[in-house]
Amino acid sequence: QVQLQESGPGLVKPSGTLSLTCTVSGGAIGSRNWWSWLRQTPEKGLEWIGEIYQTGSTNYNPSLKSRVTIVIDKSKNQFSLRLTSVTAADTALYYCARPLPSGYFDPWGQGILVTVSS
Amino acid sequence: EPVMTQSPATLSVSPGERVTLSCRASQSVNSNLAWYQQKRGQAPRLLIYDATTRATGIPARFSGSGSGTEFSLTISSLQSEDFAVYYCQQYNNWPPYTFGQGTKLEIK
Repeated sequence: QVQLQESGPGLVKPSGTLSLTCTVSGGAIGSRNWWSWLRQTPEKGLEWIGEIYQTGSTNYNPSLKSRVTIVIDKSKNQFSLRLTSVTAADTALYYCARPLPSGYFDPWGQGILVTVSS
Repeated sequence: EPVMTQSPATLSVSPGERVTLSCRASQSVNSNLAWYQQKRGQAPRLLIYDATTRATGIPARFSGSGSGTEFSLTISSLQSEDFAVYYCQQYNNWPPYTFGQGTKLEIK
């Protein structure tokens, strides 16, 4: 079955750029699926960041849209998140997940903690 | 975007009890609602989608009900492994998909 695994730096400096990659195994990333990024904090709970389709088409959370880019690399079976101008408020556990056709998420990656600090 | 409100925030229950968790949407989300279970240190796990359909491998003691703005997740007889945090999520009006703040089930 499909499995997802996040990777990337666990520490990012304020005003810097957060970059994470999600590697998909057990299935082709180009198989008519959307792929999402979400994050979780004690203060705001679970927050959807955005999603990308195999064609490169994207949807983003309006609250983050100006700072977010999600790209897909079908040759590596990966998709990536880029979040610019980060602050302490972007410190979170970041998850990648597959949104099934209607919009619920299954499966999820194990998550990666990213801390924004100097 | 629909705001999802879960109640209560914490519920203290004993193993074997029946428990019902509530999720309310600020506007109708039809039946486009999912429930997740999250245990400490783990990612959320899909339990229920389309308000009432159990995900693959989810025990029959979990059931979902509701439509429109009022939803419930019922666990018919709590097992020790069910003590966790439960989240609802709407996928009717997006972007963005939105989640409730969660209900924590703790052992009484």
